Amino acid sequence: DIVMTQTPLSLSVTPGQPASISCKSSQSLLHSDGRTYLYWYLQRPGHSPELLIYEVSSRFSRVPVSGVPDRFSGSGAGTDFTLKISRVEADDAGIYYCMQGVQLPYTFGRGTKLEIK
Amino acid sequence: EVQLVESGGGLVQPGRSLRLSCKASGFTFGDSAMNWFRQSPERGLEWVGFIRSKSNGGTTEIAASVRGRFTISRDDSKSIAYLQMNSLKSEDTAVYYCTRGRRDWGQGTLVTVAS
Repeated sequence: DIVMTQTPLSLSVTPGQPASISCKSSQSLLHSDGRTYLYWYLQRPGHSPELLIYEVSSRFSRVPVSGVPDRFSGSGAGTDFTLKISRVEADDAGIYYCMQGVQLPYTFGRGTKLEIK
Repeated sequence: EVQLVESGGGLVQPGRSLRLSCKASGFTFGDSAMNWFRQSPERGLEWVGFIRSKSNGGTTEIAASVRGRFTISRDDSKSIAYLQMNSLKSEDTAVYYCTRGRRDWGQGTLVTVAS
C-alpha cells in the first residue's frame, strides 16, 4: 500500500496569515494516463470530509453551490505535494487530509489539524 | 444539488451482519462509481471499496481488510448503493461514508460493533 505522510500534524495560524501543509507519498502518484491522483480534503468539526483540490492543483467546484476559494492552492509532483492557504480565515479550521487515488487501496495521510488563533 | 444520505448504522454484536444504504440524488446515479469509506480514531480515514457504473461493468473492488466479509452492490432504479457487512468485528467500528467517486461525501452513519 502507498503510505501518505503529512506534516505538520497541527498548526495554529492567525487570520490573514498563510499556511502550508506537506504530503509525501511512498510511491509516485503519476498514473500511466499522465494524471497525478493526489487529492486534498478538509474535514470541519462534526462534518464529513469535503474535496478541496483534485489531481494536485485543480480546485473543486460544487455547482451550483460554490467553488473552493482561490486562497487554496495545491502543487507538487511525483511524491511531494503541498497545500497552501494564502490568507487563512476562521472558516478554514479543521483537519486537512491528503489522499492518493493512483493505486488501490486508496490511502490517506493522518491529517493536519489547522487551528485559527 | 448532490445529496448522499447513508442509513442502516447502529449497534451490532460481533459476528453479526449489517447492511448500509446510500440514497443518492442530484446527479445521474447510474453513470457514477460509488465508493464507501470509513473513519475511526484508531485507523483514521480508510477506503473500504467501490462499485463501478453498469457501463463500466458494475464490478467491485474491496479493501483487503474487509474482503470476503463486505460486499458492495447498487440498485440504479432506486439510486441506492449498498454495503453489506458480514462477520463484523470490533475493529469495524467506524463512521461509514458513501461518496460519488472521490468528490461528494454523505454525512456518514455510525456502526458500533460491541457485545
